[in-house]
Amino acid sequence: AQKITQTQPGMFVQEKEAVTLDCTYDTSDQSYGLFWYKQPSSGEMIFLIYQGSYDEQNATEGRYSLNFQKARKSANLVISASQLGDSAMYFCAMRGSSGGYQKVTFGTGTKLQVIP
Amino acid sequence: NAGVTQTPKFQVLKTGQSMTLQCAQDMNHNSMYWYRQDPGMGLRLIYYSASEGTTDKGEVPNGYNVSRLNKREFSLRLESAAPSQTSVYFCASRRTGQRLGGEKLFFGSGTQLSVL
Repeated sequence: AQKITQTQPGMFVQEKEAVTLDCTYDTSDQSYGLFWYKQPSSGEMIFLIYQGSYDEQNATEGRYSLNFQKARKSANLVISASQLGDSAMYFCAMRGSSGGYQKVTFGTGTKLQVIP
Repeated sequence: NAGVTQTPKFQVLKTGQSMTLQCAQDMNHNSMYWYRQDPGMGLRLIYYSASEGTTDKGEVPNGYNVSRLNKREFSLRLESAAPSQTSVYFCASRRTGQRLGGEKLFFGSGTQLSVL
């Protein structure tokens, strides 16, 4: 069984500051992938970043980076230089590989609010 | 360049009615997913399909059935709708392969379903 945990229901960050959103996971799979998605109030799901379990370097996409600590089973999202448009729900997700079936499950999300 | 197309965008049902949510992707992806999102909550996996001809239960499959009609289409059916199924439903397909830019879930725009 795979499980994703996001323990921060809500976060505030000052504009232009960096913020870290926490994500821990639990799986017995050797091969898995981790995603972060943003969901603004409009409701669409916006892809931010992906990290494979065998990737040696932390993934980065522009202002987003994924702090992947495999031994601790954590995959925190770091947003640098926060902008007002970053205010949204953020979801961590994991793709497992047990039995050849590759389900993707999501955490409960963190609501980020950027303060001017 | 349609991506993932979901229909309908909105639907109101009476308790006990049936309906099918349609989803199609034009990216030649093997894996497809159905999620529901209740207000203020994360995405919960209903069913998924790792490839054409295969489907498997996710976290909350009760009250739903799915059909992977072909590689493009993955439909979700509510046989006898209940108020507890009032939710936003998202369909997604998953790209694999590092050389294609890495794994990524592509989402449809969602279906807002209300069951009265």
